[in-house]
Amino acid sequence: DAGVIQSPRHEVTEMGQEVTLRCKPISGHNSLFWYRQTMMRGLELLIYFNNNVPIDDSGMPEDRFSAKMPNASFSTLKIQPSEPRDSAVYFCASSPGDRPVPQHFGDGTRLSIL
Amino acid sequence: SQQGEEDPQALSIQEGENATMNCSYKTSINNLQWYRQNSGRGLVHLILIRSNEREKHSGRLRVTLDTSKKSSSLLITASRAADTASYFCATDGTARQLTFGSGTQLTVLP
Repeated sequence: DAGVIQSPRHEVTEMGQEVTLRCKPISGHNSLFWYRQTMMRGLELLIYFNNNVPIDDSGMPEDRFSAKMPNASFSTLKIQPSEPRDSAVYFCASSPGDRPVPQHFGDGTRLSIL
Repeated sequence: SQQGEEDPQALSIQEGENATMNCSYKTSINNLQWYRQNSGRGLVHLILIRSNEREKHSGRLRVTLDTSKKSSSLLITASRAADTASYFCATDGTARQLTFGSGTQLTVLP
């Protein structure tokens, strides 16, 4: 079975540029989560969707961050404009609808903003 | 904010020894989960223990939960070099959110 697929695996770009991270959840999972991991702050939940609807985006750091889930098999996290402090590893995770459940993580996108 | 805090932050042991990691949390929970993260990879779920359970086993893993002390421990028996990774506890919040601790970096020396 395919797991959660994220792309790109690595992204290096200059500050001010738009960055788009992509995620394909596991088929049949109806909850999707975006996390950010840094040495200083650990793993932080940015936003999560249930049945393609954003449920809680209180972890999104600024208006420069936005996330969409146009259908059950695809989500994007966009940063515009990007800043050096956005440099981190961004993870997408999915889980089926019932609680309590484990989350299945992708291998992340390592983002470096120069 | 991080609900769970792991202790120790780093642990180095010899292959074959047991490794114990602890997690403390602050608020009431429905369940507590442990995850492993290998370098450069995503987190992998290891085990889930419900709030009404005190102990759970899975292979070489043993998890305990003490809700009165708001703490949990993960024991890995007969450790192997392949167990080298970071280990995180995660507690549930509202809906399906998880709050992760800061992690324990385990190094198993061959």
